[in-house]
Amino acid sequence: GAGVSQSPSNKVTEKGKDVELRCDPISGHTALYWYRQSLGQGLEFLIYFQGNSAPDKSGLPSDRFSAERTGGSVSTLTIQRTQQEDSAVYLCASSLRTGGDTEAFFGQGTRLTVV
Amino acid sequence: GDSVTQMEGPVTLSEEAFLTINCTYTATGYPSLFWYVQYPGEGLQLLLKATKADDKGSNKGFEATYRKETTSFHLEKGSVQVSDSAVYFCALETSGSRLTFGEGTQLTVNP
Repeated sequence: GAGVSQSPSNKVTEKGKDVELRCDPISGHTALYWYRQSLGQGLEFLIYFQGNSAPDKSGLPSDRFSAERTGGSVSTLTIQRTQQEDSAVYLCASSLRTGGDTEAFFGQGTRLTVV
Repeated sequence: GDSVTQMEGPVTLSEEAFLTINCTYTATGYPSLFWYVQYPGEGLQLLLKATKADDKGSNKGFEATYRKETTSFHLEKGSVQVSDSAVYFCALETSGSRLTFGEGTQLTVNP
């Protein structure tokens, strides 16, 4: 596609339910990032995939959060047993990653509301 | 680890005023530096970047110079417009590592 696509754009879920958020990166981009943006806050890093390397999971806030990237393309972020503090906009980005001189392209985000 | 510190917001200016948003960083190695912008209701997009010391990134009248000696990448614009109202994020990236963002600075420009 022309850009990074995220789905759903909005998700309302009940506390305790599991949710899956999807990210389709730009074709050919080897790097994929997930960030979280709470209301009025900055960007909180969650996880980073780069090619076939082991992902950098250092930003995942708890073991309820996990992510995978299948075939080096589509990524799914899963939140188990959602809590109200998980409510935020979840942003995905991808980049070509040739050395350090790259641009990250962001999707529109998934707005998650836990009620 | 890598980190980025931005001036605290929000910043409110009148149209045609001069803008500076400060950004300093801590990084191992030699990072590339970026400013991203998030307009109301839109996704983040790259505003400008610089990849080595003394480089100046520029776009849409905005400029930022990579200052290695002061580890800074301050964003400037000589005359802001109402349409510049947005949240601005300073970021860095080192080879083999991920993007690290600052906290963001909300800019409001009044007519």
